[in-house]
Amino acid sequence: NAGVTQTPKFQVLKTGQSMTLQCAQDMNHNSMYWYRQDPGMGLRLIYYSASEGTTDKGEVPNGYNVSRLNKREFSLRLESAAPSQTSVYFCASSHGLHNEQFFGPGTRLTVL
Amino acid sequence: GENVGLHLPTLSVQEGDNSIINCAYSNSASDYFIWYKQESGKGPQFIIDIRSNMDKRQGQRVTVLLNKTVKHLSLQIAATQPGDSAVYFCAERGSQTFGKGTMLLVSP
Repeated sequence: NAGVTQTPKFQVLKTGQSMTLQCAQDMNHNSMYWYRQDPGMGLRLIYYSASEGTTDKGEVPNGYNVSRLNKREFSLRLESAAPSQTSVYFCASSHGLHNEQFFGPGTRLTVL
Repeated sequence: GENVGLHLPTLSVQEGDNSIINCAYSNSASDYFIWYKQESGKGPQFIIDIRSNMDKRQGQRVTVLLNKTVKHLSLQIAATQPGDSAVYFCAERGSQTFGKGTMLLVSP
């Protein structure tokens, strides 16, 4: 099992560009999450999906959209990237909202 | 989200010492806690969990203690090794709040 995979690993964008971060899990988990991690800020929840077909805002949703494409895949979209969105993005999944989360390797995004 | 915080941002220890990382929480109804380890350049990984009907749980070289009276939990790592150097997060069931974490630095 690959666990949680994320693509791309690295990305550089110019301000105003758009892009989608991809995440997939092969553990048949119901719940999936997107976090961002900035130096000294810990992990902050952007959006999550408790189960296929549902998505909810987390702590810092502004500037992002998500799509739970199917049970395996949960994508994060930046419609108009801003330098403040420079961060490391982690996708995670869990069996349910109340279970331990399994994290992907992260995507390091730089917005110039 | 719940308020799950950590007392110290950085903990430096010598190889072979025991390490103790602390975490406080504010919701007395919290019933399940998880500790994660994040190595440099990687995503967090589950280490150990504890439920509120327990006050101690042991894993391999790790022990988690839960004190519900003062709403505090700790992660103890025995015979700390350089490979234990990482950021450690505590998290609460149902909450996707991780806090800033504690960085453990192990010197040889």
